[in-house]
Amino acid sequence: GAVVSQHPSRVICKSGTSVKIECRSLDFQATTMFWYRQFPKKSLMLMATSNEGSKATYEQGVEKDKFLINHASLTLSTLTVTSAHPEDSSFYICSARRGYPSYEQYFGPGTRLTVT
Amino acid sequence: AQTVTQSQPEMSVQEAETVTLSCTYDTSESNYYLFWYKQPPSRQMILVIRQEAYKQQNATENRFSVNFQKAAKSFSLKISDSQLGDTAMYFCAFIPDSGAGSYQLTFGKGTKLSVIP
Repeated sequence: GAVVSQHPSRVICKSGTSVKIECRSLDFQATTMFWYRQFPKKSLMLMATSNEGSKATYEQGVEKDKFLINHASLTLSTLTVTSAHPEDSSFYICSARRGYPSYEQYFGPGTRLTVT
Repeated sequence: AQTVTQSQPEMSVQEAETVTLSCTYDTSESNYYLFWYKQPPSRQMILVIRQEAYKQQNATENRFSVNFQKAAKSFSLKISDSQLGDTAMYFCAFIPDSGAGSYQLTFGKGTKLSVIP
């Protein structure tokens, strides 16, 4: 399968600071990338969908000003958690989707964010 | 709106045996894609197998195969010759084919599979 990298894998930050997570599609161009949040023993919760060169579409209840998403190229999307608080601590996963006809979606290894 | 239901929160299987994980879905779409993803303890989501709804033939990938019943909206995953490395959460997922570029995957809640030595 295709490879999606995510960096960093773990990050600890202080409350009030901002953290940037990078997601790269290494072997295909992804017109659409996704950001998920996963709580322990739960399924993935979609936060936002981003298309290259356009603004991200956020799911209901996700604060766009807190979770800034940039999809500057067909292989790179970034998620910035601004003014992080302890309740933002979670496991964040990015994903990149191939286009027609497969629509196969590949996931990064995830980032464990801990806000102290 | 689509829904995906995995009715088995947890399952276990003896090593080398066969196990079937169930998944049902609800949609009004006529064409769509179905996937099974595996999430081992490392938490890396791995695509296991994919099925296009317009294909009648069931998808197979080595020890993994599906039983796709379109009329019944059922998409079960069969794992043959289970191995310890198959221990993971398994998620069933659905996406419509209506220009699926920006459509989101709809996931089931997952089935935790434990392979017992």
